[in-house]
Order: sequence, then C-alpha cells, then structure tokens
Amino acid sequence: DSGVTQTPKHLITATGQRVTLRCSPRSGDLSVYWYQQSLDQGLQFLIQYYNGEERAKGNILERFSAQQFPDLHSELNLSSLELGDSALYFCASSPTGAWTGELFFGEGSRLTVL
Amino acid sequence: DAKTTQPNSMESNEEEPVHLPCNHSTISGTDYIHWYRQLPSQGPEYVIHGLTSNVNNRMASLAIAEDRKSSTLILHRATLRDAAVYYCILRGLTGANSKLTFGKGITLSVRP
Repeated sequence: DSGVTQTPKHLITATGQRVTLRCSPRSGDLSVYWYQQSLDQGLQFLIQYYNGEERAKGNILERFSAQQFPDLHSELNLSSLELGDSALYFCASSPTGAWTGELFFGEGSRLTVL
Repeated sequence: DAKTTQPNSMESNEEEPVHLPCNHSTISGTDYIHWYRQLPSQGPEYVIHGLTSNVNNRMASLAIAEDRKSSTLILHRATLRDAAVYYCILRGLTGANSKLTFGKGITLSVRP
C-alpha cells in the first residue's frame, strides 16, 4: 500500500461526457502527479501540482484539467470524452515539488468510454 | 532527453537470480538511473536508483557500468510476485530532464 488513494477504481461513461477522478496523496506529501496509461501510448505524464499550484505540465489535452485543493487532494477533470480517452489514470505523490525523489503511485482509476 | 533501451521481455525461474539489463549510452554526468516496476493491475512502484556506485536495498541491487552507459537490475531470488514490467529511467536534477518519463520497460515472467 503506497498510501496514495484514488477514486473511483473503475468508471464507465459515454462519449461527450465529463468525469472527475480524485486523488488523496500520502500524508504530508505536497506534490501530486497525474499520469495516463493507455495500451498504445504507455505511461504518459499529464500534470504536476505542488502545494496547490501547477508546477509542471506534460501531454495533457485542453479538454482535461486538474487542481489541487488546500487539503492537498487533487482532482483530474476530463471533459468531452472520446473513445481514445479510455485508459488507466494514475496519481502519484511526493514530499516536495522537486522530481528528484521517489514517487508513490496509487492503484489507478480505470476509465472506459463507450 | 536521455533515452534508455531495454529488451522487450525476459523469462526467469522462481528462486533463481534475474539480471535485467538497460542501455543508456547518452547518459549525462548528472543523470540518475532509476528503476520502477509495475505489477499487474497496480501502479508503478519504486525499486532502486543510483548515480555511479552499485546500490543495494531490500528489493534489489543495481549494478552500474564504470562508463555508466549501461546498468543491470538484479533480483537475487525471483519470486512469482516479481513478475512485472520493469522500467529503467534516467532522471536529471532539474527541468524537463528531472521528470519521471516511462518507456516501454521490460516484461519479466517468472516460471514456478
């Protein structure tokens, strides 16, 4: 158990819809990272938040957005969903904003878009 | 970005040592070598990392070539639970090179 909690574990929705994925980092960790894992693209970094502020951006689509709240949990919002958005979405956390330390990953949220 | 090259897959027998190779010929002097693994239906999990010297921890050992252009992750006694995708990743100290960028990894199968 990494200490990172993601909900929901599974989500099935239709094209065009909007979903929110939630992540609670390990106690005391200030950084949250979101990754997408699909069969054809592998694990892709989407975005990082540190203590409520966006810190780094990766291959995140404009239809996707994220935020980190004062209690440090984070939400990833996916809108106008397409079939290709079906993937595993992982959240990770680390104590600091730097990328130099170990990242602790949650078990992921599996999104299926029909 | 400095890249790593790993075989697609490897098989091993339970309770035998496993050596997972990784080539990184374009590694820079400040790049750390990180290994993560991803068990089936789970998120990635940190295994070990090193810079120049060989490293040991409770999960594995990391052997780094003297020229740092290759490294080997060593699992001393493979168990069925070690069947996973293992990712060898180079991480710099700052900027884009410090991000944890996953490649395809090597899929390790462990035979009973």
